[in-house]
Formats: sequence, structure tokens, C-alpha cells
Amino acid sequence: ILNVEQSPQSLHVQEGDSTNFTCSFPSSNFYALHWYRWETAKSPEALFVMTLNGDEKKKGRISATLNTKEGYSYLYIKGSQPEDSATYLCAFMVRTGNQFYFGTGTSLTVIP
Amino acid sequence: GAGVSQTPSNKVTEKGKYVELRCDPISGHTALYWYRQSLGQGPEFLIYFQGTGAADDSGLPNDRFFAVRPEGSVSTLKIQRTERGDSAMYLCASSLSGLAGTGELFFGEGSRLTVL
Repeated sequence: ILNVEQSPQSLHVQEGDSTNFTCSFPSSNFYALHWYRWETAKSPEALFVMTLNGDEKKKGRISATLNTKEGYSYLYIKGSQPEDSATYLCAFMVRTGNQFYFGTGTSLTVIP
Repeated sequence: GAGVSQTPSNKVTEKGKYVELRCDPISGHTALYWYRQSLGQGPEFLIYFQGTGAADDSGLPNDRFFAVRPEGSVSTLKIQRTERGDSAMYLCASSLSGLAGTGELFFGEGSRLTVL
């Protein structure tokens, strides 16, 4: 079992604040790193699929970076809105495997 | 609908009973995954299908757990002699590319199992 760590575990921010979270994973045998957003009572939805070291992806106010050599990815949210409140999961896949290894998630609450 | 469908959404059962959880993936998705999420944990891998075959069942915790996908579409996760520790959210996801790994996973809303 590979260890994928996410920090912080939970976060409360004011509306309009910018924030970021971290996903740490083993740096060897990297294949892909995914970010998912999971809102309460809904299904997890993909935000980003990242495969190359140095990748930077952006979707609206949300962006992510990837460093496969040191084994981490950052997710940034600019100008947080209440609708951003959700659990953000990262999932890591190794080159020789079939499964995604998920972190425990970062629970974000944006206070209006 | 076009998304991944899981039934039932909630299941309460008694210890020792048999349970089946169903997953209907997105049409055309050959890869199908089952994950289990317990409270305070991230999703934990159970089994991966590529088409009809279980390509990797290394995550099934013991022989009480079994999953099938006979026609390469709908999958059923079967749990025999349920125990209280089986209580969790069971998530199903499908993907177009499977082993390629770069394709995003499309999740259902999950089946929450409670074993009393």
C-alpha cells in the first residue's frame, strides 16, 4: 500500500480568501496524479489529470501544479466562494499498477 | 442518465446477512473500479475490471467479498456474512481508458452500507 498524504485535513476560510492544499506521494514510479472535488451528497468529480513533471493546470479560479521528482502537488483556489466548499481528494497511480491510491482528502469550508 | 449509477444508495442490514451492491457504469467505459471509504479515511481500492475480467482484485479484504461484471457493463459487489466493520461508503467509478491511467474516473454517488 502506497502512502498518499493530504494536508491540511480541514480548512475554514472566509469568502474571497485564496487558499491552497498539498498532496504528497511517493516520487518513484510515478504515472499519474488526479484531483477530485467531492461535494456532500454528490459524487466525486474530476478537476485535473496530471502526468508530467512541472504540469500546471487551471480551471477557472482553481489551479494545480505537479512536482513528480519531489512527490507533491498543490491545489490553489483563488477568491474562494461558498460553492467551493467540498472535500478535495488527490489520487496517485504508479506505472506498474492498476489502482489509484487516494489521500484522505482536505475538507474545505468557505464561510460567506 | 449518462452518469454512473449505483444502487441502493443506502442499505441497512444485520450482521451475518448477504448484501449486493450494483454499479451501472457509463456506456462504453471498459474500466470499472470499486472503492470503499470508511469514516475519516480516503477511498480504499477493492477491485478493478477491464471488460468482463477482474484485472486486479488485490484490494478485496477477504473471501467474503466478491465482485462480478459478466457482460462488461453492470457490476455487482457481493458481501457474504456481513460484519459491522464492513459498514462504509462503497464507491464505483468507470473510466474510458483504464490501464492508461490518464483518463479521469467518473464516480457514482455511492452506496452507504450500515451493518447493525
